[in-house]
Amino acid sequence: EVRLLESGGGLVQPGGSLRLSCAASGFAFSRYAMTWVRQAPGKGLEWVSAISGSGGSTFYADSVKGRFTVSRDNSKNILYLQMNSLRAEDTAVFYCAKYLPEDSGSPRVVDYWGQGTLVTVSS
Amino acid sequence: EVVLTQSPGTLSLSPGERATLSCRASQSVNSGQLAWYQQKPGQPPRLLIYAASTRAAGVPDRFSGSGSGTDFTLSISRLEPEDFAVYYCQDYDDSPYNFGQGTKLEIK
Repeated sequence: EVRLLESGGGLVQPGGSLRLSCAASGFAFSRYAMTWVRQAPGKGLEWVSAISGSGGSTFYADSVKGRFTVSRDNSKNILYLQMNSLRAEDTAVFYCAKYLPEDSGSPRVVDYWGQGTLVTVSS
Repeated sequence: EVVLTQSPGTLSLSPGERATLSCRASQSVNSGQLAWYQQKPGQPPRLLIYAASTRAAGVPDRFSGSGSGTDFTLSISRLEPEDFAVYYCQDYDDSPYNFGQGTKLEIK
């Protein structure tokens, strides 16, 4: 059974930093690209970042480029999101999610989601 | 960057009726690289449709997707009580993998 468990959310002041973690289990972690998607309270989904299975390729939304860094530790089956220079508008539930296989023909489709971790940026 | 516009914003229907949700892209989505997700309150999204028309595993056949180019549709043939939720489309052809703003399907 695929499981994705996010942690590291909480309250942080504007300008501060936070690192989110996502512990993955139930699948061959290193073979799958992964992604972070966020959802501000009462709002829609916003794609944040993605990373290839090897970690060699990373992608970011313009809204977080230069402030957020996605990485992974394939030896520990953990996905990370380092968030710096946080702003009030970064307040959201952050979901860790797994993509379909690279050879599926649709390799950037999410088939499993974590339950999310809430990040609140406020003074 | 592709911008996705979903319509209507809210759709009010009764169980048993047919629902038709639209997703329009600002430019052509190559190879129909478009997905649909369902989200219920307090839950993460759930994949319904990818490649514009392929149902994900376990998704009932009352859900169907169609379209190509810039116009895509999610149809639900006979609404069940559990289908009332928010639906999002997503373009995954190229980064950024943008979502539409969502359509809320509510009980009339």
